[in-house]
Amino acid sequence: DTGVSQNPRHKITKRGQNVTFRCDPISEHNRLYWYRQTLGQGPEFLTYFQNEAQLEKSRLLSDRFSAERPKGSFSTLEIQRTEQGDSAMYLCASSLGQGGPYEQYFGPGTRLTVT
Amino acid sequence: DAKTTQPPSMDCAEGRAANLPCNHSTISGNEYVYWYRQIHSQGPQYIIHGLKNNETNEMASLIITEDRKSSTLILPHATLRDTAVYYCIVRVKGGSQGNLIFGKGTKLSVKP
Repeated sequence: DTGVSQNPRHKITKRGQNVTFRCDPISEHNRLYWYRQTLGQGPEFLTYFQNEAQLEKSRLLSDRFSAERPKGSFSTLEIQRTEQGDSAMYLCASSLGQGGPYEQYFGPGTRLTVT
Repeated sequence: DAKTTQPPSMDCAEGRAANLPCNHSTISGNEYVYWYRQIHSQGPQYIIHGLKNNETNEMASLIITEDRKSSTLILPHATLRDTAVYYCIVRVKGGSQGNLIFGKGTKLSVKP
């Protein structure tokens, strides 16, 4: 399967702990996106990368959140000092880059529960 | 905020066509209409997109009105596996803008 993969699929953590999620995009895609989705809502954009450059960040991405894509391939999303409000599904997507309205392909998501 | 308006829910009988409407009255000339769907507990799945002409692929057809202020996604023969939340999104063509702006979508229930 050459789709977008995310690990772990589920994460339960205690408030105040740090967590890190990984996303592996489709290999030829140079754009990578992170979204967050809470129950009953559509996904909300967090940030995106073109290759290794982080080009856009949402105001939802507080200073406790950091995302990296060091070699322009996989990406990690870290949440420091987790809060109960961080409980959500974290989705990763990838697409081809500039020049067209390329469709985004989503991974299965990482469901975070903060207790 | 999302730039589209969709009904919160719809029902469809299995084997019949499902017609999902979307209003995007403030769409700009360089914005495409995209449709995604999200089956329970999965990531969103791309369905189809278009600018002004009608489009068809193996999953669905997209009908865009001549003034581009609304569109309809058609699933010609709905199955139980098409039960999902369907999102209509408008997005600018090219450039550096990255994100998709999702609304709450339409929850389609296909019933036997």
